[in-house]
Amino acid sequence: KNEVEQSPQNLTAQEGEFITINCSYSVGISALHWLQQHPGGGIVSLFMLSSGKKKHGRLIATINIQEKHSSLHITASHPRDSAVYICAITSGTYKYIFGTGTRLKVLA
Amino acid sequence: DTGVSQDPRHKITKRGQNVTFRCDPISEHNRLYWYRQTLGQGPEFLTYFQNEAQLEKSRLLSDRFSAERPKGSFSTLEIQRTEQGDSAMYLCASSLGQGGHGYTFGSGTRLTVV
Repeated sequence: KNEVEQSPQNLTAQEGEFITINCSYSVGISALHWLQQHPGGGIVSLFMLSSGKKKHGRLIATINIQEKHSSLHITASHPRDSAVYICAITSGTYKYIFGTGTRLKVLA
Repeated sequence: DTGVSQDPRHKITKRGQNVTFRCDPISEHNRLYWYRQTLGQGPEFLTYFQNEAQLEKSRLLSDRFSAERPKGSFSTLEIQRTEQGDSAMYLCASSLGQGGHGYTFGSGTRLTVV
């Protein structure tokens, strides 16, 4: 079993829909990261969380430490949000442990 | 500073050839990391440097793989006698210290072994 599990693996939405991507992890963490990867391969950091909730534009990330669960929400989705969204944890070390990603496609 | 740069972006090589990739981190970042990502999977840790010292290597890094960071700035990752299973995206990232603000990633080098 992977230490970081994401769901769904694939998600197709219509433009304007509210989107939720979930991440569960099985170990204690020092931080949880949400990342975005476009088809070209480069990875952009969206959020780093150790508690609570963060918001940046149309993106909201929440974490529940007791339940070992985090969600990434996208409000008013747009085709340019189409990408792979990856959850990763750091657990007392510098190494990221990555989930397998959620491939999001937003249709116009 | 334009972020973490990786070169080349794409590499196609024949099985058995050697390849070398380069990563230029953000200049003030003392830590540099290499990860490998195969299709449909999340990246997996390969190795990490603090300044010029290679402090950890994954068991994924077989003896055909070698990484260097000779002056604590840019790093190279060499794969000798490439195999088809080496086909992947090779990602480099850097951070300042323990990465309290997270990593900055490069755009990756996509290797295809034919």
